[in-house]
Amino acid sequence: QLQLQESGPGLVKPSETLSLTCTVSGGSTSSSSYYWGWIRQPPGKGLEWIGMIYYSGGTYYNPSLKSRVTISVDTSKNQFSLKLSSVTAADTAVFYCASLNYSDRPFDHWGQGTLVTVSS
Amino acid sequence: DIQMTQSPSSVSASVGDRVTITCRASQGINSWLAWYQQKPGKAPKLLIYAASSLQSGVPSRFSGRGSGTDFTLTISSLQPEDFATYYCQQANSFPYTFGQGTKLEIK
Repeated sequence: QLQLQESGPGLVKPSETLSLTCTVSGGSTSSSSYYWGWIRQPPGKGLEWIGMIYYSGGTYYNPSLKSRVTISVDTSKNQFSLKLSSVTAADTAVFYCASLNYSDRPFDHWGQGTLVTVSS
Repeated sequence: DIQMTQSPSSVSASVGDRVTITCRASQGINSWLAWYQQKPGKAPKLLIYAASSLQSGVPSRFSGRGSGTDFTLTISSLQPEDFATYYCQQANSFPYTFGQGTKLEIK
């Protein structure tokens, strides 16, 4: 059973870069069966897909965030990461990492989520 | 981007009721649709994938139907633990998009 866990700072200053890591257990980030993705949810609002990465390094980003987002994978540590640059208060959200099943494409396993607040 | 529109945005129902939530895509998405349940302070949980396939471990009172642009999630007999917010999500084309959510409340 895949388990995912987000980690990173809970507070980021405006204009700085938000960095989060997702650690995967019970499975491998080098598996061809999954994409590894990030989704965010502003407080009290809906879900927004940020992007995802395949084990080979191929990435797919939401065009609304593409200029600011980088997702990478470290198969040696069984982790994948999110960097979001030039953050503003509008980027305050709960950030979830999740696995996307390659064949049927649902996000079938999720981390518990981590709240990141952008404030000076 | 493909817009996903859920209706209703909220619904009140009683234990034992049958409830149907609708999700409409702004263009055809074949059957690349998933449904999630989210409870306050928790991560979303996958219920249905490929429009009608029940995720392992999900009770059979949940069912999904549809293809193309119109989809439904039905809960056949509401249980107390089903009161939550439900989201649809398309995986036909990038960027993947979610519906705005449907809040299912106790009447």
